Amino acid sequence: GAGVSQSPSNKVTEKGKDVELRCDPISGHTALYWYRQSLGQGLEFLIYFQGNSAPDKSGLPSDRFSAERTGGSVSTLTIQRTQQEDSAVYLCASSLVPPPETQYFGPGTRLLVL
Amino acid sequence: RKEVEQDPGPFNVPEGATVAFNCTYSNSASQSFFWYRQDCRKEPKLLMSVYSSGNEDGRFTAQLNRASQYISLLIRDSKLSDSATYLCVLTGGGNKLTFGTGTQLKVEL
Repeated sequence: GAGVSQSPSNKVTEKGKDVELRCDPISGHTALYWYRQSLGQGLEFLIYFQGNSAPDKSGLPSDRFSAERTGGSVSTLTIQRTQQEDSAVYLCASSLVPPPETQYFGPGTRLLVL
Repeated sequence: RKEVEQDPGPFNVPEGATVAFNCTYSNSASQSFFWYRQDCRKEPKLLMSVYSSGNEDGRFTAQLNRASQYISLLIRDSKLSDSATYLCVLTGGGNKLTFGTGTQLKVEL
């Protein structure tokens, strides 16, 4: 079946602009995660959605970052007033149930803020 | 101290060699442990879970030492295709996974 998909695959933007990143999880997966991976760094947890529960936003680095998940499926990560340090690969993952169930990652969105 | 620590490498080994990586963690309450593999410019993919009794999957063996708070990954008979970054992953608090920064393996002819 189809895996996790993300769009766009690459995004170049100017400092100060807003960007939206999209994630389509595997159908039926109740858990959805966003991570950020900067060059040479490990994955940094951003936010976690589980079913209809309130999301775990504890990893969001600032109030410029927000995410929503509509209808328990597609998720959008929004970064407002982008800064150069926001440049990274943004990875989305989904799992059938919460951890420790296997997470399946999408290919990521490479964001470059000029 | 970082929650998960790994030697970044790179480990350069010849084809056919045996190589082992360790990963240490600081949260003694961590319950579940995994090794993920990440190829260059690709997303991470689960390689194997790590169980207290140790587990093997073909050429790969994973072990957990709770007393010393480390997990290990042993790769036997290395193949060129094993070249990748190996990420140590564990559940910390709550529902999120904590990832190490990875150990880079390069298998050479």
